[in-house]
Amino acid sequence: DVKVTQSSRYLVKRTGEKVFLECVQDMDHENMFWYRQDPGLGLRLIYFSYDVKMKEKGDIPEGYSVSREKKERFSLILESASTNQTSMYLCASRKSGGNTGELFFGEGSRLTVL
Amino acid sequence: AQSVTQLGSHVSVSEGALVLLRCNYSSSVPPYLFWYVQYPNQGLQLLLKYTSAATLVKGINGFEAEFKKSETSFHLTKPSAHMSDAAEYFCAVTYSGNTPLVFGKGTRLSVIA
Repeated sequence: DVKVTQSSRYLVKRTGEKVFLECVQDMDHENMFWYRQDPGLGLRLIYFSYDVKMKEKGDIPEGYSVSREKKERFSLILESASTNQTSMYLCASRKSGGNTGELFFGEGSRLTVL
Repeated sequence: AQSVTQLGSHVSVSEGALVLLRCNYSSSVPPYLFWYVQYPNQGLQLLLKYTSAATLVKGINGFEAEFKKSETSFHLTKPSAHMSDAAEYFCAVTYSGNTPLVFGKGTRLSVIA
């Protein structure tokens, strides 16, 4: 069964801390994505990566960076966490060039910044 | 630019009643359309997808959706709601397998006994 695993389901951090959210997929997918989910706003794209060492900004990249050193792993980094980054973070992956664009999601990481 | 509008942030139905969740899209080229479901504290799970084949698409758990190009709609329906259908539902659009999905803001479905 296909699987996208996010390392932490729940995190509590303090303002100014550096935060790493890890995502691993076992489907050999080329494309990986980080979305942020907030009530009433749906899912908003933060960053995505079409292949190893590649990254593209999404709609709301400010305050975030990413790392894709291996094909299966895509990390989201908050360099200096702020309270307005309290949110649910969802990682997703898909096969490149597929004829549907379907995404496979992890279970999410709920981050609280105090 | 692509966009998705989901009408109604919250829909409430009685158990056994028809479920109708509305989605309208904007795309300058033929779209790929998706419905995802999210149960509490979980990630998103694909319900169904339209990829330019049949316009009536059947998905899991008895849901289906119809692509109507003239109305730019892709509404999700289920003939008879079950308590287990209570969740948040997201409509999404893209125009190729190589561009990110754009999601609507979601519709929370409540099912009343």
